[in-house]
Amino acid sequence: QKEVEQNSGPLSVPEGAIASLNCTYSDRGSQSFFWYRQYSGKSPELIMFIYSNGDKEDGRFTAQLNKASQYVSLLIRDSQPSDSATYLCAVNYLDNYGQNFVFGPGTRLSVLP
Amino acid sequence: DTEVTQTPKHLVMGMTNKKSLKCEQHMGHRAMYWYKQKAKKPPELMFVYSYEKLSINESVPSRFSPECPNSSLLNLHLHALQPEDSALYLCASSQTSGLAKNIQYFGAGTRLSVL
Repeated sequence: QKEVEQNSGPLSVPEGAIASLNCTYSDRGSQSFFWYRQYSGKSPELIMFIYSNGDKEDGRFTAQLNKASQYVSLLIRDSQPSDSATYLCAVNYLDNYGQNFVFGPGTRLSVLP
Repeated sequence: DTEVTQTPKHLVMGMTNKKSLKCEQHMGHRAMYWYKQKAKKPPELMFVYSYEKLSINESVPSRFSPECPNSSLLNLHLHALQPEDSALYLCASSQTSGLAKNIQYFGAGTRLSVL
């Protein structure tokens, strides 16, 4: 059973602060890790992906991966109220049919003005 | 362009109706997916098509019937649904289903209500 875990939140941060979202996964063979943002009633939107250990930065977003600890995180700097959404961590796994995703339960982020 | 188009955006149907959800992408992707998402839950994988062949069926009831007429189109035929099938149905596509670096792009979804 492939598992991806996240704190469900809500995680509340003040505007301008750093929001830190965490995700752990069970399959040591996973190679690709994705962060999706989902606004209420909308579909998931890809924010970041990361394949290698270390940090990957894109604007205000930084993804961090530690494969030894089976841990991936998303940092959002200078958080804005528009960042308020549910953040889904997705991890790939390989089965007999190919590479597929398993999603974590999501963390609800609330950025307070 | 990373657009996946789903129609209709909203659908209300009775338990005896037959309806279809449609999904289209023009990114040349060869893998397409159907997900079901209930409120405050993550998307749950239903079906995967790879090169127009059904490769994964996650034990979905037979009242849901997928169809992939060509590499750009994916349909989900609905028949005799139950009220608990009310959910957001998401279509996604990716380059293939065989790569580790396999980004899935989602459509806007169809909000389905079964009365």
